[in-house]
Amino acid sequence: DAGVTQSPTHLIKTRGQHVTLRCSPISGHKSVSWYQQVLGQGPQFIFQYYEKEERGRGNFPDRFSARQFPNYSSELNVNALLLGDSALYLCASSLTGEGPLHFGNGTRLTVT
Amino acid sequence: AQSVSQHNHHVILSEAASLELGCNYSYGGTVNLFWYVQYPGQHLQLLLKYFSGDPLVKGIKGFEAEFIKSKFSFNLRKPSVQWSDTAEYFCAVGGGGSYIPTFGRGTSLIVHP
Repeated sequence: DAGVTQSPTHLIKTRGQHVTLRCSPISGHKSVSWYQQVLGQGPQFIFQYYEKEERGRGNFPDRFSARQFPNYSSELNVNALLLGDSALYLCASSLTGEGPLHFGNGTRLTVT
Repeated sequence: AQSVSQHNHHVILSEAASLELGCNYSYGGTVNLFWYVQYPGQHLQLLLKYFSGDPLVKGIKGFEAEFIKSKFSFNLRKPSVQWSDTAEYFCAVGGGGSYIPTFGRGTSLIVHP
């Protein structure tokens, strides 16, 4: 079975640019969550989508946005990148969003 | 907003030693509790979960955790660790009106052979 897939695996951007990260959930999973993980910290919740509707949003600025497509894949967009946005961005899928999360390998974003 | 505390940030043990990693959360209502593990070079994966029922939960690879509601705790235990248990361990809690899991900062476990 294919797990959660994320692309790209690594990305280098400069300050002020925007970035789009992509995620494909496990087949049958209707919920996708996005987390940001900086070195030495646990994953911080950014967004959760269920059945293409935003179910939750973490404490992140409006520069962060996301959406979920009819096939349940998802995109995370970050505008006007700052150095502090450098992190590992994790996507996780689940059947409903309340149960166990299945994580992808993440996208390592470096902002210079 | 709920918060999750993992007090042990770095733990170093020898093989066969016993392990207990602490996890405390702030919300007093109904909660869903999880432990995730991240082995070197791998993605986060579920170790065990508690939704309801028996507060002593058994997970994969000999791990178990006990939910103590009065102490707002969900500590992870293993009687005898192995070198292959070297990993980052994250406690996560869903509750407080939102069942979207909030993660602790993690504990780095190193097991010496």
